[in-house]
Amino acid sequence: NAGVMQNPRHLVRRRGQEARLRCSPMKGHSHVYWYRQLPEEGLKFMVYLQKENIIDESGMPKERFSAEFPKEGPSILRIQQVVRGDSAAYFCASSPLAGGETQYFGPGTRLLVL
Amino acid sequence: DAKTTQPTSMDCAEGRAANLPCNHSTISGNEYVYWYRQIHSQGPQYIIHGLKNNETNEMASLIITEDRKSSTLILPHATLRDTAVYYCIESRAGGGADGLTFGKGTHLIIQP
Repeated sequence: NAGVMQNPRHLVRRRGQEARLRCSPMKGHSHVYWYRQLPEEGLKFMVYLQKENIIDESGMPKERFSAEFPKEGPSILRIQQVVRGDSAAYFCASSPLAGGETQYFGPGTRLLVL
Repeated sequence: DAKTTQPTSMDCAEGRAANLPCNHSTISGNEYVYWYRQIHSQGPQYIIHGLKNNETNEMASLIITEDRKSSTLILPHATLRDTAVYYCIESRAGGGADGLTFGKGTHLIIQP
């Protein structure tokens, strides 16, 4: 059973470009969470999605960031007009059900904004 | 902000048991204690979780005090590969319904 998959593993963008980060949850998991880890800091929750629904986006910056989890395909975290401060590791986690289930993390995408 | 308190760092000799403490004095009755670890440059790895009773799995044991205000993660025979940052997290309803709140964790260094 494959774990949570994220791609790309490394992404380099210039200021002002768009970054798209993809997350494929574990098989059978319908809940996805995105976290950000800035250099030398802890992980911060960004957004929680179920298929076709955003459940909690309280940790998501209000501008330039969006997330989706379509009926088919991976979850996408999209960052528009990236700035140097967006440079970080972005981790995705998945769980099978809401409530009472452990979150399992992917290997992360390291975004570098030049 | 994280509601748990952990030591910033700990050392342990290879082959010995590593005991990592965590204080969670404001934990609610429906909140579990979760432990994750993050090895350098990798994604967090789930270790173990518990509500009231002590728990054991192939990776570790979790000892929760009777008043649930603190717990200890035990790695019975630490190896160099156990060097990582260990996070103790309170989570409502077992962790699946909410985003996890990570604190600074304990940097465990296993010495050869």
